[in-house]
Amino acid sequence: EVQLVESGGGLVQPGGSLRLSCAASGFTFSSYDMIWVRQAPGKGLEWVSSVSVSGGRTFYADSVKGRFTLSRDDSRNTLYLQMNSLRAEDTAVYYCARDGYGSGSYYNVFDYWGQGTLVTVSS
Amino acid sequence: DIQLTQSPSFLSASVGDRVTITCRASQGISNYLAWYQQKPGKAPKLLIYAASTLQSGVPSRFSGSGSGTEFTLTISSLQPEDFATYYCQQLNSYIFTFGPGTKVDIK
Repeated sequence: EVQLVESGGGLVQPGGSLRLSCAASGFTFSSYDMIWVRQAPGKGLEWVSSVSVSGGRTFYADSVKGRFTLSRDDSRNTLYLQMNSLRAEDTAVYYCARDGYGSGSYYNVFDYWGQGTLVTVSS
Repeated sequence: DIQLTQSPSFLSASVGDRVTITCRASQGISNYLAWYQQKPGKAPKLLIYAASTLQSGVPSRFSGSGSGTEFTLTISSLQPEDFATYYCQQLNSYIFTFGPGTKVDIK
């Protein structure tokens, strides 16, 4: 069974840093691109960042570019999101998801999601 | 970047109703579109990809259609468990834009 478990969320002051983790199991982690999506309270979904297989390519939303860094450790089956210079508008539930490209389809669909971890940026 | 709009933003319907949600893209994306369902406090769930392909395990009352810039999600007979928010997402580029969502509520 595919499982994605996020951790590392919490309360942080504006300008602070936080590192989110996503522990994956039930599939060959190293064979899939991985994604972070966030959802501010009462708002819609926002794609944040993606990392390709082997970490060779990373992509970021303009809203986080230069502040967030996405990485992966395939030996630990874990995805990381380093968030620096946090702002109030970064307050959201952060979801880790798997890009299912190649697993039954050749489209970059987010076929498995974690339960999310809440990040609150406030003084 | 490709922008997506959805209509309506909110929809009130009864069990058994046929429901249609529209998603429009700011530029042509062929069939690179997916639909997700999200219930309160839960992670989104993939329903449809490639505009019309049902994800494994999703009930056949859900269907998708469209190509280019206009897409629809149809629920043929709304069930109690279908009351949720639905999002479209474009898959045409690595900037994976979501639509603003359509909330389907009980009439």
